[in-house]
Amino acid sequence: NAGVTQTPKFQVLKTGQSMTLQCAQDMNHEYMSWYRQDPGMGLRLIHYSVGAGITDQGEVPNGYNVSRSTTEDFPLRLLSAAPSQTSVYFCASSYGVAGANVLTFGAGSRLTVL
Amino acid sequence: AQKVTQAQTEISVVEKEDVTLDCVYETRDTTYYLFWYKQPPSGELVFLIRRNSFDEQNEISGRYSWNFQKSTSSFNFTITASQVVDSAVYFCALSATTSGGSYIPTFGRGTSLIVHP
Repeated sequence: NAGVTQTPKFQVLKTGQSMTLQCAQDMNHEYMSWYRQDPGMGLRLIHYSVGAGITDQGEVPNGYNVSRSTTEDFPLRLLSAAPSQTSVYFCASSYGVAGANVLTFGAGSRLTVL
Repeated sequence: AQKVTQAQTEISVVEKEDVTLDCVYETRDTTYYLFWYKQPPSGELVFLIRRNSFDEQNEISGRYSWNFQKSTSSFNFTITASQVVDSAVYFCALSATTSGGSYIPTFGRGTSLIVHP
């Protein structure tokens, strides 16, 4: 019963470095998404995917790339990290994009950019 | 566009007090869904409840109750006889259709509830 697995849990980067946050789910969920959580800002949607091969931008997509080559995986790429990307990142998935679907969240990845 | 407002940034209560967390939403859709999620100090996000726009019945689950009022676009959450374990950040979320026809959840900024012993 793995659910949504995020790696790494913690990461420290220097400005300009690149990295990928991994997200995998084993529930055959169509919908996957990435949120960032910052103090006082709640959960803001970065990118989402409604199925393999389909991605779209959320509220705060700048500085991030995503791809969805398989149903299970939805990695989030930071091409050139900036201090403004210091945040806690959550991956979430649901069975589909019908409104009633409940999100299952990963445990979060805390990223610090120096 | 859809929006969720949780005006209370932080609420501090003493154990056994009742507390209500407010959630006001905006959407032009007639079909939409509302959610509450809990984030305890450990950091994970846990689903609490879901409501659709056609069901205005209030719901009670133990010490938790939810009041959905379409007339005021509100979906408030009340904890009766609060306990220290209720200390968490609580998020209200709205799922309504995007221009592409998919339902994409929008979250409020969260309310941090601190329950003192």
